[in-house]
Order: sequence, then structure tokens, then C-alpha cells
Amino acid sequence: KNQVEQSPQSLIILEGKNCTLQCNYTVSPFSNLRWYKQDTGRGPVSLTIMTFSENTKSNGRYTATLDADTKQSSLHITASQLSDSASYICVVSATGGYNKLIFGAGTRLAVHP
Amino acid sequence: DTAVSQTPKYLVTQMGNDKSIKCEQNLGHDTMYWYKQDSKKFLKIMFSYNNKELIINETVPNRFSPKSPDKAHLNLHINSLELGDSAVYFCASSQAGAKNIQYFGAGTRLSVL
Repeated sequence: KNQVEQSPQSLIILEGKNCTLQCNYTVSPFSNLRWYKQDTGRGPVSLTIMTFSENTKSNGRYTATLDADTKQSSLHITASQLSDSASYICVVSATGGYNKLIFGAGTRLAVHP
Repeated sequence: DTAVSQTPKYLVTQMGNDKSIKCEQNLGHDTMYWYKQDSKKFLKIMFSYNNKELIINETVPNRFSPKSPDKAHLNLHINSLELGDSAVYFCASSQAGAKNIQYFGAGTRLSVL
């Protein structure tokens, strides 16, 4: 069964600190892995997309890593800001058809001053 | 200009009613989607249209009927609403292709009383 699991479920950090969010997946056949940021009351916004051959991808203070062998990904946020408070969703795309995405439940991050 | 816009933003209605949610994108994309985000925050694909043709139809009750009058619009009509239909519904669009980014609308929060 295609699944995406994220940890932790929620996280509180102080402004300026770094944090790392985890994602494990069992999606097969694998096409690509994405990280989305979803602010409260808004739709998800894409942060990074990585294919099988890509180990790391950065977008400003966000750096995603992918280990396709162990089927794990992480999202590292550097020097957190209050505006980073949001849910971060790991999404895996399966091959074999149109762009079908399997979503994790997300990690809810709260950055406190 | 909002890239993917959906209306209404909030919808409160009684069980048994019929309602519609509209979605429009001005990004020139050829593929549009409807997602349901339940209380546990999982996003699940419901439908996908490519060039006005249905390409993904997950196991969704046939009370849900999408309609795509043109590439820029994908509406969702729901008949005989049930309590379990209460959720946030997101519209998204992308260009066809495995790695293409999906752009999401802000969501429609449906509450069935």
C-alpha cells in the first residue's frame, strides 16, 4: 500500500533555531518527492521537488534530502523565522500514469519568538 | 491576480442539499485537480482532468460530479450532501508531466449540518 509517514507530528522551536522534519514512504514505483508548505487557511505551496537521482535540493533556508534506497527524506529549515510557522507536507509521486500524488499528514511547525 | 481561485471560501449547508464549488486557473495549465483534506489533514486526490478529459477518478461516491467546461475551469458538484462530506476541498492545476508543480487554491471549507 502506498503510504507517506511524517515525523514529528508537531514541533515547537524558537526563532533563529534550526530544525529537521522527517518523511518515510513506501510508494512504488517512485517518481519524485516533494515538500509543500501549507499556511493555516491556505493551500499548499511547493518548496522542492526531487527525483530518484537527486540527493539534495535547496530553496533559500529550506534544504531537502532524499535517500531513495532507504525511502527517506528530510526537510531542514535553517535560522527559522516566525513566518515559517506552518504545516510541512511530504508528498510522493508514483509513476505509471498521470501526476498522482500521495500526501503525508504533515508536520505542524510553530516558531516562537 | 490569484493563480488558482475557488469559490466559495466557506460553505455551510444542510444534509441532503446539493451544492457546487467552482475553480478557475489563469496559469495556462492543461491539468486540474480536486483534493479533499479531512480532519486529520490528509490531502487525497479525488479527480483530475487533462484538457477537459477525466484522467484520475479515485474511489469517490458518485454523488460527486466534476465538470470541466474548458481547460481553465473545473467545478465540483455534490448531490445529497452527507455529514461525512464536511472537509476542506482544494482545487489545483499544473502542466501535464511527472515533475510539474501543482498550484493550489486557498480551499473551500464545507460544513454539512
